[in-house]
Amino acid sequence: NAGVTQTPKFQVLKTGQSMTLQCAQDMNHEYMSWYRQDPGMGLRLIHYSVGAGITDQGEVPNGYNVSRSTTEDFPLRLLSAAPSQTSVYFCASSYSRTGGSRGPQHFGDGTRLSIL
Amino acid sequence: GENVEQHPSTLSVQEGDSAVIKCTYSDSASNYFPWYKQELGKRPQLIIDIRSNVGEKKDQRIAVTLNKTAKHFSLHITETQPEDSAVYFCAAPLRAGGTSYGKLTFGQGTILTVHP
Repeated sequence: NAGVTQTPKFQVLKTGQSMTLQCAQDMNHEYMSWYRQDPGMGLRLIHYSVGAGITDQGEVPNGYNVSRSTTEDFPLRLLSAAPSQTSVYFCASSYSRTGGSRGPQHFGDGTRLSIL
Repeated sequence: GENVEQHPSTLSVQEGDSAVIKCTYSDSASNYFPWYKQELGKRPQLIIDIRSNVGEKKDQRIAVTLNKTAKHFSLHITETQPEDSAVYFCAAPLRAGGTSYGKLTFGQGTILTVHP
């Protein structure tokens, strides 16, 4: 049971390049989310998914796309990288319960992304 | 959507003292309030959470209290130890049509330093 696995751990991109951050979980969690963490700003929700085939926007979705073709995987795509997207990106998953939901309790180790 | 304010931004205490971090939220329908601890360069980890049907929850040296009327919740750490030094984040559910869906909005974080 690996939990939430993110790849790569580090990445440097040039402005305008595209790339995909990978996230996989093996806990059969329904909910998966992507956050970015910038100094002094805490974590901000980019996109989330409540199950395979269902995604929605969070607080800061511009410049990012997601898809959820399987329960396990939730990749985050940067369409055209910009310096403002330099950040640490965390993927998280959580268990769904009937009648309520629990916030993300399992975070991956993060991807440190620098855009030059 | 929900707005979460966290105070103080930094907190310095002597080993053995207590530490209190407070968060206020705006959405009276919010029903789940977790606290995360993040050590330098590591992932956020859930340390305690509380639901709106209780006023207090304890786990050894850590406790969380909730005041629904005033819309604030607090983290209390007693008998602090140097290994408690970290950044602490509070969070509350973002709402979408009245359902939280497990996505969270985070406070700005509190840097706790415990001096030996």
